[in-house]
Amino acid sequence: AQTVTQSQPEMSVQEAETVTLSCTYDTSESDYYLFWYKQPPSRQMILVIRQEAYKQQNATENRFSVNFQKAAKSFSLKISDSQLGDAAMYFCAYRSLLGYGNKLVFGAGTILRVKS
Amino acid sequence: NAGVTQTPKFQVLKTGQSMTLQCAQDMNHEYMSWYRQDPGMGLRLIHYSVGAGITDQGEVPNGYNVSRSTTEDFPLRLLSAAPSQTSVYFCASRQQGGVQETQYFGPGTRLLVL
Repeated sequence: AQTVTQSQPEMSVQEAETVTLSCTYDTSESDYYLFWYKQPPSRQMILVIRQEAYKQQNATENRFSVNFQKAAKSFSLKISDSQLGDAAMYFCAYRSLLGYGNKLVFGAGTILRVKS
Repeated sequence: NAGVTQTPKFQVLKTGQSMTLQCAQDMNHEYMSWYRQDPGMGLRLIHYSVGAGITDQGEVPNGYNVSRSTTEDFPLRLLSAAPSQTSVYFCASRQQGGVQETQYFGPGTRLLVL
């Protein structure tokens, strides 16, 4: 079974600075999706960025980018020019492309605090 | 287009009581799922469905039942609530298959079992 590990329970960043959230995963599969979700205090789950494992190019979405290292099974999220609205819980998630149902497997989450 | 809706937003139950958490989506998504979120554990899959009449167990199915009689609705039933089921519950939906899939989450239901 796949597992996702987020080793940083909590991170802090100064407004306008850059922060990187770590995520590692364990799988024997060669093709899969990886995701970062943001959960603000409202509890709504918001998709931040998605990476297909077959793509070597790292995904980017405005101020959010990933560093996808397939061999190392690492998938970190970089937030540039941090804003107060970025403060939230961030979840890394894995989705297999095999089998029935293709469920999402989530890490435990990282709380990001943004200081003004 | 309301997306994924969940009711109620918050519920208090006594041990042994039963209840149904409602989930509906208006995007004609085939795949629907229920997760629970507990502190320090992320979201864990309870049950999922790949279409009307088809359901299967996820990672933590014990104590929960589901059915899928229509594409739109996917209720989660607690037959005899236990304090261990105190959690925040999320319903989610997406198209089954496809490359650019996006999973849409409902706003969550906070459940407290006394």
